[in-house]
Amino acid sequence: DQQVKQNSPSLSVQEGRISILNCDYTNSMFDYFLWYKKYPAEGPTFLISISSIKDKNEDGRFTVFLNKSAKHLSLHIVPSQPGDSAVYFCAATTDGGATNKLIFGTGTLLAVQP
Amino acid sequence: NAGVMQNPRHLVRRRGQEARLRCSPVKGHSHVYWYRQLPEEGLKFMVYLQKENIIDESGMPKERFSAEFPKEGPSILRIQQVVRGDSAAYFCASSPGAVPGGYTFGSGTRLTVV
Repeated sequence: DQQVKQNSPSLSVQEGRISILNCDYTNSMFDYFLWYKKYPAEGPTFLISISSIKDKNEDGRFTVFLNKSAKHLSLHIVPSQPGDSAVYFCAATTDGGATNKLIFGTGTLLAVQP
Repeated sequence: NAGVMQNPRHLVRRRGQEARLRCSPVKGHSHVYWYRQLPEEGLKFMVYLQKENIIDESGMPKERFSAEFPKEGPSILRIQQVVRGDSAAYFCASSPGAVPGGYTFGSGTRLTVV
């Protein structure tokens, strides 16, 4: 029962262009969402999060959009840089972020071509 | 400032042996989490501990797996009588409190059961 789904296993983008990573969820109780970035042989690193009371959160080159009615969120990276090449995981949780159990998607491998 | 330290980085065990994975949280962090990543899958929550207490072990297999976070020393994830299906990357994370975005992950222990 995959409650958080990332249907694109991989994505290739040219340097300088926009990268859009997508995530769908099925559990309507999720009310806090996070994106993590992971390089090979390292642990995930927190990137950006969004509460369900918002539909957009921005931090530098990274913007997360949330569409609650569609149970869909996306991460936009612009402009994309070669150093952004990594696996990106979407995660969700309940209780407004106070819970400590994250439900992760399966990840999307982003390759940014120079 | 050391991050979350996990050791060993790689662990090979024969079927039936015991595996002990260690996690030293960020200094000052009193919350520890263990996640497992099976091949081609996302990270799956296993257990959440505070010093000397298991808070949520809903993701732990019912048999052979145990975790502790003693008053002194690292957190230990113990797998008894390992089987090939236990082969995975095991990640530990820590936080100063109940803030998912405040997780700091370690680099993981890759367990291979032969």
